[in-house]
Amino acid sequence: AQSVTQPDIHITVSEGASLELRCNYSYGATPYLFWYVQSPGQGLQLLLKYFSGDTLVQGIKGFEAEFKRSQSSFNLRKPSVHWSDAAEYFCAVGETTSYDKVIFGPGTSLSVIP
Amino acid sequence: DVKVTQSSRYLVKRTGEKVFLECVQDMDHENMFWYRQDPGLGLRLIYFSYDVKMKEKGDIPEGYSVSREKKERFSLILESASTNQTSMYLCASSLSQQGARVRETQYFGPGTRLLVL
Repeated sequence: AQSVTQPDIHITVSEGASLELRCNYSYGATPYLFWYVQSPGQGLQLLLKYFSGDTLVQGIKGFEAEFKRSQSSFNLRKPSVHWSDAAEYFCAVGETTSYDKVIFGPGTSLSVIP
Repeated sequence: DVKVTQSSRYLVKRTGEKVFLECVQDMDHENMFWYRQDPGLGLRLIYFSYDVKMKEKGDIPEGYSVSREKKERFSLILESASTNQTSMYLCASSLSQQGARVRETQYFGPGTRLLVL
């Protein structure tokens, strides 16, 4: 079965610093990969997604992610973090083996120090 | 903009009560989903629906049921609430694109935080 791991439960960065959130997945075929963000008190919002093609994907709010098949990773990056980026970030992978569904990772909570 | 609304932001119920969580989307999406979100576990799929009057079990359907009588509305029912159902419940919707549903962006409601005493 597919699975998604996010090794970092919580990360704290200073405003203006760069950010990388890690995501690893297990899936035999080419995966459908997503990053969602959940701001406090809100539902999830899609940041970006990868299906095929260019392995560097641009998203909203200045985020990007890189798909590395050899490492089974889809890490999320941002060159300069803003205080408003403080949120919970979820990596997810689409599965079609049993029924169409998206499996979410456990999430990484990001705190931003002014 | 796609809008997914959930009937309550916070609910407090007693053990054994029947609980209804309502979700409405305004973008004519075929697919609708119910998840529960618990710390350290991410989102887990309870039930989903790809069409009116259609429902399928997700990964953790025990203790829950759903109803989809209209395309825009997807209800989650806790027949007899228990304390282990205390959680955040998130509803989501997406376009159909049969055969490529897993590629669709899911649009989420703000969530209902349920406390069962």
